[in-house]
Amino acid sequence: QSALTQPASVSGSPGQSITISCTGTSSDIGSYNLVSWFQQHPGKAPKLIIYEVTKRPSGVSNRFSGSKSGNTASLTISGLQAEDEADYYCCSYVYSSAFPLVFGTGAKVSVL
Amino acid sequence: QVHLVESGGGMVKPGGSLSLSCAASGFAFSDYYMTWVRQAPGRGLEWVAFISSSGAAIHYGDSVRGRFTISRDNARNSLYLEMTSLTAEDTAVYYCVRKNPVTPDYWGQGTLVTVSS
Repeated sequence: QSALTQPASVSGSPGQSITISCTGTSSDIGSYNLVSWFQQHPGKAPKLIIYEVTKRPSGVSNRFSGSKSGNTASLTISGLQAEDEADYYCCSYVYSSAFPLVFGTGAKVSVL
Repeated sequence: QVHLVESGGGMVKPGGSLSLSCAASGFAFSDYYMTWVRQAPGRGLEWVAFISSSGAAIHYGDSVRGRFTISRDNARNSLYLEMTSLTAEDTAVYYCVRKNPVTPDYWGQGTLVTVSS
């Protein structure tokens, strides 16, 4: 199963909104509303920030929002803050007998 | 409060073996699928293996199948990963992750495995 495709880097200025895309296929993102997003700061474990495409775990800022269209899922960060500078990974359920989950390639968010 | 604590990482020579453990607390461990995810230095996340709540269903990533063994002890609230025939490509931080039911929702802090001569 191939990894989901994310841009290598996305940048924005404080206060701006940015969107990170995550492109898959009809076997994963396109068929299931089971996309999650993770934020990872350097040297830290990934943290779940979005699950089931649009849902936010308790305690996660509402500046993070998720969406999906066709085979592409997106994470939008509004009101960009310095603390948002991190790596972001998407993940989707995939129809596979071998392994039912696939990660994205990861996107580095820089706050200018 | 969910807590996952990995242990057992360290340095090992190529061809060697290593065993990782993950101690779980704060939730009904026996009700959840569990997984191991690894991250090589400067690289992305990679699924290693996952195991069903009872241990009856197990899946491995292509790069570790035949060399790694995932197991669990629900009585001890513990997850394990036995790694053999290690190569430099196995060098990574290994995370213990809860799967709920499809979403990987809680991650441990990770344990570093370094394979080097």
